[in-house]
Amino acid sequence: RKEVEQDPGPFNVPEGATVAFNCTYSNSASQSFFWYRQDCRKEPKLLMSVYSSGNEDGRFTAQLNRASQYISLLIRDSKLSDSATYLCVVNDYGGATNKLIFGTGTLLAVQP
Amino acid sequence: EAQVTQNPRYLITVTGKKLTVTCSQNMNHEYMSWYRQDPGLGLRQIYYSMNVEVTDKGDVPEGYKVSRKEKRNFPLILESPSPNQTSLYFCASSFRDRVSPLHFGNGTRLTVT
Repeated sequence: RKEVEQDPGPFNVPEGATVAFNCTYSNSASQSFFWYRQDCRKEPKLLMSVYSSGNEDGRFTAQLNRASQYISLLIRDSKLSDSATYLCVVNDYGGATNKLIFGTGTLLAVQP
Repeated sequence: EAQVTQNPRYLITVTGKKLTVTCSQNMNHEYMSWYRQDPGLGLRQIYYSMNVEVTDKGDVPEGYKVSRKEKRNFPLILESPSPNQTSLYFCASSFRDRVSPLHFGNGTRLTVT
């Protein structure tokens, strides 16, 4: 099983739709979780951290389910400008190997 | 403006010709790291540095070298590039450690022929 797994997509949705991505992780001791956004051929940018109680930033909601070891990202009222690849990032906690592990990303294409 | 600056943005070279990709950050971050990104493989860590004069191998260090003589700079050196090092490279930094949110440079697209 991969350390961090994401559905690669693409997710093709119309403007205004609500879309959700899940990301599963294998290390139950992981403590830090993030969603990054990456536009084509550009650098990843931090979208939001994911907190245990869940958190919201405008149209974006992130949630953590420790029991099932996944995090989710919900985007409401999708805009054309939301089209990008969304990277799930988890810290692989354990002894000397505490580091961030990146998923391969989920591609979102918002259609007019 | 707080940023991580990489140079060059694009580089085409031939097998065996030594090259250096520079990375500089102006945020006084202690932690810096290099990643490569390949289709279907995601971001993989090459080397990282917890502070000045402290560097360590990531997941794919073979064929690469780094140095951290100053806090702001973390160059990536390919002593003898090979075609399998053709990739998109990102430098990143964070305030404290390996699990703090990362700030990325705008990438270097390297082609080795």
